[in-house]
Amino acid sequence: GIQVEQSPPDLILQEGANSTLRCNFSDSVNNLQWFHQNPWGQLINLFYIPSGTKQNGRLSATTVATERYSLLYISSSQTTDSGVYFCAVEPWSNYQLIWGAGTKLIIKP
Amino acid sequence: NAGVTQTPKFQVLKTGQSMTLQCAQDMNHNSMYWYRQDPGMGLRLIYYSASEGTTDKGEVPNGYNVSRLNKREFSLRLESAAPSQTSVYFCASSLDRTGANVLTFGAGSRLTVL
Repeated sequence: GIQVEQSPPDLILQEGANSTLRCNFSDSVNNLQWFHQNPWGQLINLFYIPSGTKQNGRLSATTVATERYSLLYISSSQTTDSGVYFCAVEPWSNYQLIWGAGTKLIIKP
Repeated sequence: NAGVTQTPKFQVLKTGQSMTLQCAQDMNHNSMYWYRQDPGMGLRLIYYSASEGTTDKGEVPNGYNVSRLNKREFSLRLESAAPSQTSVYFCASSLDRTGANVLTFGAGSRLTVL
């Protein structure tokens, strides 16, 4: 099955810094989504982005489907950005999202 | 506007006991899902219901059963709990079972099996 690898596994930054999180996947996919899990466990969808670039405030995401990777950019980090960021991909063969192990981001004030 | 509500939030069981996790959504979504999250890992799909009246196995269905009671409610049952089922369980829903639909998650249920 499809393998999803996220890097880095952990990232510690000062407030105001920028960061780039990466998601590699081993085969072509129908769908890719980015999620944020806050320190209290709540999961929220950030982007649905099977290809191209999208922006939402300080966050943006780019997926290069032909090269099988996606990037999540966070600019001017705030402490509320802390948590775990997951990417999840949907294979063409079925509708079951396959999740990466996540990048744990800690933003220090 | 509650979204996805799951109960209980916390539960401790002894090996062999049974329990049911309840999930309800008020967004008129057709599709519902149960995931488990283990430390240091992403979510893994246990079962899903593409629409009312249908259920299908996900990646890790062994030891679980589900019921799509109606369009709003989707329950997960552990018939004989095992320590390997200690995990955080998330219910989610989406408008439809296609790739373009955003998942909305409940707050999670932390289950410990002793």
